[in-house]
Amino acid sequence: GQNIDQPTEMTATEGAIVQINCTYQTSGFNGLFWYQQHAGEAPTFLSYNVLDGLEEKGRFSSFLSRSKGYSYLLLKELQMKDSASYLCAVVLTGGGNKLTFGTGTQLKVEL
Amino acid sequence: EAGVAQSPRYKIIEKRQSVAFWCNPISGHATLYWYQQILGQGPKLLIQFQNNGVVDDSQLPKDRFSAERLKGVDSTLKIQPAKLEDSAVYLCASSLHTLGRAWGTEAFFGQGTRLTVV
Repeated sequence: GQNIDQPTEMTATEGAIVQINCTYQTSGFNGLFWYQQHAGEAPTFLSYNVLDGLEEKGRFSSFLSRSKGYSYLLLKELQMKDSASYLCAVVLTGGGNKLTFGTGTQLKVEL
Repeated sequence: EAGVAQSPRYKIIEKRQSVAFWCNPISGHATLYWYQQILGQGPKLLIQFQNNGVVDDSQLPKDRFSAERLKGVDSTLKIQPAKLEDSAVYLCASSLHTLGRAWGTEAFFGQGTRLTVV
């Protein structure tokens, strides 16, 4: 079956750096997305990795290692508005390339 | 660019009643997804359409859930009859292409319909 694991909750301080990890065991892989979801709102796209390495977009970076089935999302210079759930989602090959989500990591940014 | 539109935003029904949700994807997006998100969990894919054809409905409880996408544009998701465990947010998403084919192709989500079954 498919297995996508993330920590349930994390807490960090405003201005700090936080790394949210995601490990996956899937049959077929065609890329990994990170989405941000504020309470009561729709998930919004943050990043996409399909090759190994680091993708940087402003304060957010995402890393992928396909051989290890591992990704992380790095958030720098944390702001209070970064308090949200961060969803790791894997694109599974076959049948239209399904986007399968992990359970999400609830990040709380404190003063 | 207009986003993914969903209605209604909220719905409260009694168990065993039926309910329908509507989704209008971003114009030109070929792929449409319906997800169920139970509180505290990640979204779970119910059904995926490519234009007006179903490409995956393996996790759709077909004894009570049905979905269609008329003319490859709007879509409706129906539950009949509803159960208490169907209480969740139902998210519709669309993408220009099948995911994983190119950078810059991601799924865009609507605001969702929050369903409460009592």
